[in-house]
Amino acid sequence: EAQVTQNPRYLITVTGKKLTVTCSQNMNHEYMSWYRQDPGLGLRQIYYSMNVEVTDKGDVPEGYKVSRKEKRNFPLILESPSPNQTSLYFCASSGSRVHGYTFGSGTRLTVV
Amino acid sequence: AQSVTQPDIHITVSEGASLELRCNYSYGATPYLFWYVQSPGQGLQLLLKYFSGDTLVQGIKGFEAEFKRSQSSFNLRKPSVHWSDAAEYFCAVVSDSGGYNMLIFGAGTRLAVHP
Repeated sequence: EAQVTQNPRYLITVTGKKLTVTCSQNMNHEYMSWYRQDPGLGLRQIYYSMNVEVTDKGDVPEGYKVSRKEKRNFPLILESPSPNQTSLYFCASSGSRVHGYTFGSGTRLTVV
Repeated sequence: AQSVTQPDIHITVSEGASLELRCNYSYGATPYLFWYVQSPGQGLQLLLKYFSGDTLVQGIKGFEAEFKRSQSSFNLRKPSVHWSDAAEYFCAVVSDSGGYNMLIFGAGTRLAVHP
């Protein structure tokens, strides 16, 4: 089954404790992206990747890092999480603009 | 810069009534447009898309949308709403800025369905 898999689904952590949210897709897509969803703001892009070793900032990159060492994986790293990063995070992948994006199920992160 | 506006934050309809969710975009060239639905606690599911051809597109779950270039709109419609349609709906446009197909979302419209 074609899918984007994120882990974990839920995460509660403390301020400053480094964490990684994993994302993997099995569709051989070139494009991958991370979004955060906050009430009233819709989805805002954090980082995106056009291919292996090619990444760039989206609209809200502060406090986040990503890497794309393999085509299928695109982890999101929070080196020192803060409470304002409490949000719902989505990973997505796309093979072309015509097909849009396939989204993962989301990771709900709470930073206390 | 490209942008998407969904003027209605919340909409409530009765089951069986018709539905129209509004979406306006700002984009210089012919846009690639999408509607996604997010059920509570779920990810985003693609309802339908438009990138060329017939301006009335059919999607899943009985939804359709009409692209109107003159109005820069891509409104989502359904003739008869079911209780299971209660969800949040997002309109999005693909921006090809820099050769990358970035998806830009509207803020969403939350749909409630009364029995």
